[in-house]
Formats: sequence, structure tokens, C-alpha cells
Amino acid sequence: GAGVSQSPSNKVTEKGKDVELRCDPISGHTALYWYRQRLGQGLEFLIYFQGNSAPDKSGLPSDRFSAERTGESVSTLTIQRTQQEDSAVYLCASSLKTGNSADTQYFGPGTRLTVL
Amino acid sequence: AQSVTQPDIHITVSEGASLELRCNYSYGATPYLFWYVQSPGQGLQLLLKYFSGDTLVQGIKGFEAEFKRSQSSFNLRKPSVHWSDAAEYFCAGGSGGSYIPTFGRGTSLIVHP
Repeated sequence: GAGVSQSPSNKVTEKGKDVELRCDPISGHTALYWYRQRLGQGLEFLIYFQGNSAPDKSGLPSDRFSAERTGESVSTLTIQRTQQEDSAVYLCASSLKTGNSADTQYFGPGTRLTVL
Repeated sequence: AQSVTQPDIHITVSEGASLELRCNYSYGATPYLFWYVQSPGQGLQLLLKYFSGDTLVQGIKGFEAEFKRSQSSFNLRKPSVHWSDAAEYFCAGGSGGSYIPTFGRGTSLIVHP
């Protein structure tokens, strides 16, 4: 597609349930990033993929969070046993080159997760 | 530690007035610097970026930013604000040794008619 897409756009779930968030990067983009944006806050880095490997998982807040990527395409972010503090907008971005902070990141519209 | 700071949480301007959003960075080497805009319910869109060379950078939508090493700043400016510019603005930075840019916490721009 023309841009980064994410699904679902909104997700409401009950505490303790698992959720899966999907990101489709721009075709040909090698690098993919997940961020979390809590209400009124900046972006919190979660994980970065280079191809289908994740050199940096340091931002994942707990072992309830995991992510995978198929080749250089779709990525899924899974949150197990969701907690209310997981409520946030989850943003995905992709960039053409392989992991350099100088690369322009192209962002998707985000998934707004609400945990009741 | 490398960081990007946006001192202003909210900025309110009248339509047609000039705008300056502040961004300060803390990097040892010459940083890469970006400004992004996020409209309600949207992802972030790149306005402009600085890597090296000319310290005055032109971006989209009539925005510009100036890299000032002496002040460790990369402030975003626009001479005349339009109501459609109301949004959240994020400054981000990185350096040659990092692959993940650091984002500021954002400045919310409110435009009065």
C-alpha cells in the first residue's frame, strides 16, 4: 500500500484478555518499529525489527509483551493478560534502510487500546 | 544521556500569528533532528529533518526550523498559522551511534480564530 497501515484502529478489551495488534509497513521497508503513546505523553519505544529479526527488544515493558515479524512485511504486537496500564495508542513505523536513527520513519495511524 | 526536550506542553496562538515551538537536544555529536506533526486520530507525519549542512531547514506546510548548536536548539517556526495547524508537534533526535530516535513529549498547538 501507499502507507503504513495498522489494525484494528480501536480495540476495547477486558483486563486479563490477550490482544494482537497488526502493522503492515510500506512495501520494501526493511526496518519496523513499535511505539506506545500514553495519553498526553510522547512516544515510548518498544521494539525494533530489522527484517524479521529484532535486534532491540529493550523497550518492551514486561514479558507480557511480545512481537514478531514475517520477513520484511507484517508485524504483530501481542499483549498477554492485559492490564489497565496497557491502555494507550500503539504506533507502528517503518523506514527504508536498516536501522539508523537518521532514517525517516513513516508512521501508521495507530491502534487505540482500551483495557477495561 | 541523549535526550530531546520540548519545554512547552501547550501553545496557544491566534490564526495568522507567527509560531515558534521550542526543542532542545542533548547529544555529544552532531545530531539528526526531526519535527513531526500528529493530527487527532492520525499517525505522525514528518514536517522536516536536519542532518548536516544548512542550518535553516525548510519543510512541508510552510514550516521551517533552525539548528543552533550554540543553544542546543532546533525550534520550529511558521510565519502565519492556519486553523488547520492545530495538532500535536513532536521533536525527535538521534545520533550516529543510535538507530532509534528519541522523541520529546510533544507540544499541543491550539489555534484561536
